[in-house]
Amino acid sequence: DGGITQSPKYLFRKEGQNVTLSCEQNLNHDAMYWYRQDPGQGLRLIYYSQIVNDFQKGDIAEGYSVSREKKESFPLTVTSAQKNPTAFYLCASSWGYQPQHFGDGTRLSIL
Amino acid sequence: GEDVEQSLFLSVREGDSSVINCTYTDSSSTYLYWYKQEPGAGLQLLTYIFSNMDMKQDQRLTVLLNKKDKHLSLRIADTQTGDSAIYFCAETPNSNSGYALNFGKGTSLLVTP
Repeated sequence: DGGITQSPKYLFRKEGQNVTLSCEQNLNHDAMYWYRQDPGQGLRLIYYSQIVNDFQKGDIAEGYSVSREKKESFPLTVTSAQKNPTAFYLCASSWGYQPQHFGDGTRLSIL
Repeated sequence: GEDVEQSLFLSVREGDSSVINCTYTDSSSTYLYWYKQEPGAGLQLLTYIFSNMDMKQDQRLTVLLNKKDKHLSLRIADTQTGDSAIYFCAETPNSNSGYALNFGKGTSLLVTP
């Protein structure tokens, strides 16, 4: 089945540690996105990529980094510079203005 | 950016209709979307409407769009307990963020027996 796979489902970060969240899609979508969701909040855009080897900052990119070396993959690294990383992270993909498809999310917590 | 506005909470009885309202920000938004989120899960696309349409019906779901007032609504007929979830309205603003969506904070729908 086509879809988006995020892993891991739960992730814990220690102080000063970088962690990487995986996002893989087999929908052949050009565009991929990372959103952050905090309790009682909507989704806020961290980074997006419209094509391989190109990505752009969203509204809250500070403390995060991404890469887009393959069409299918768009990993997100939460760096130690992100002082409040506890949140639910959602990856999505789309083709143009067609609806975005979402993964099941990764919940990141601080140890 | 500006906020997409939604009421935060709605409670209905099983079998009644639910209406969730949304006010969006960008009159040039091409598509407007409704997503559903169950606890601990990702977002599931429910339906979407193109900006040149006034209404779209899909089984129990009816979407109404008033472009003049930038108002979007989602009506769920014969609401069931399985419809209890958070519902997000989203727009595709004419911004510098590609096709990224601008979301409301979500409406928590509680369906009671």
